[in-house]
Amino acid sequence: EIVLTQSPGTLSLSPGERATLSCRASQSVSSNYLAWYQQKPGQAPRLLIYGASSRATGIPDRFSGSGSGTDFTLTINRLEPEDFAVYYCHQYGSSLRTFGQGTKVEIK
Amino acid sequence: QVQLQESGPGLVKSSGTLSLTCAVSGGSISSSHWWNWVRQPPGKGLEWIGEISPSGTTNYNPSLKSRVTISIDTSKNHFSLRLTSVTAADTAIYFCARTATSWYYYFNYWGQGTLVTVSS
Repeated sequence: EIVLTQSPGTLSLSPGERATLSCRASQSVSSNYLAWYQQKPGQAPRLLIYGASSRATGIPDRFSGSGSGTDFTLTINRLEPEDFAVYYCHQYGSSLRTFGQGTKVEIK
Repeated sequence: QVQLQESGPGLVKSSGTLSLTCAVSGGSISSSHWWNWVRQPPGKGLEWIGEISPSGTTNYNPSLKSRVTISIDTSKNHFSLRLTSVTAADTAIYFCARTATSWYYYFNYWGQGTLVTVSS
C-alpha cells in the first residue's frame, strides 16, 4: 500500500497569500499518477489536478501542481476567499488507490 | 453533464448489511470508465472502497475485501455497494465516483454523498 502523508495538517493564511501544500508518498507513484482534490464542508471532493501537474477542466490557473516520484506539491497563488477548504492528494498508480489525510487551509 | 446520485438507507443496524446504489445520468454506465465507492467518516479523511468496470471486473481495498461487493446493472444505468457485518466504524458519508477514463483512475465526477449511520 502506498501511504500518502500530507503536510502541514493545517495552514493558516490570509487572502492574497500563497499556499504550498505537500504530499509525500511512501514509495514512488507510478507514472506520477497523483491527483489533488478540494473539499468544502458538506460537499463532495472536486478534482483540481491530475497527473501531478495537469489542471482539471475549469480550474483557475492560480492552482498548480508539481513534483514526481515520492514528493508532490500543490500551490495556490493569491488565495481567494473560496479557496479556504480541505485539500487531499490521491495516488491512482497502484491497484490500491489511496488518499492523503488532508490539509486544511484556513483563514488567518 | 454526467451526474451521480447515491441512495439507500441512512441507518443500518450493527452486524447488518449496508446497501447503497449510485444512479448515473447524463451518460452511459457502459462507457469507458470505472465506477467507484469512496467513504469518509464524519470529520475524517477519504477512504477508497473499491471499483467496478462496465464488464463487471472488480477491484477492492484489501482492508474491506472480505465484506464488500460492488455490482453493476447496465440496464438500469446504476451500480451498487454491499458491505456486510457493519460496525460503528463503518459510519461514514459514502460517495460514488467515476474515473476519468478506463486507464486514468482519478475521479472527475462525484455524487453528493450519503450519510450512513450504523446503530447498535
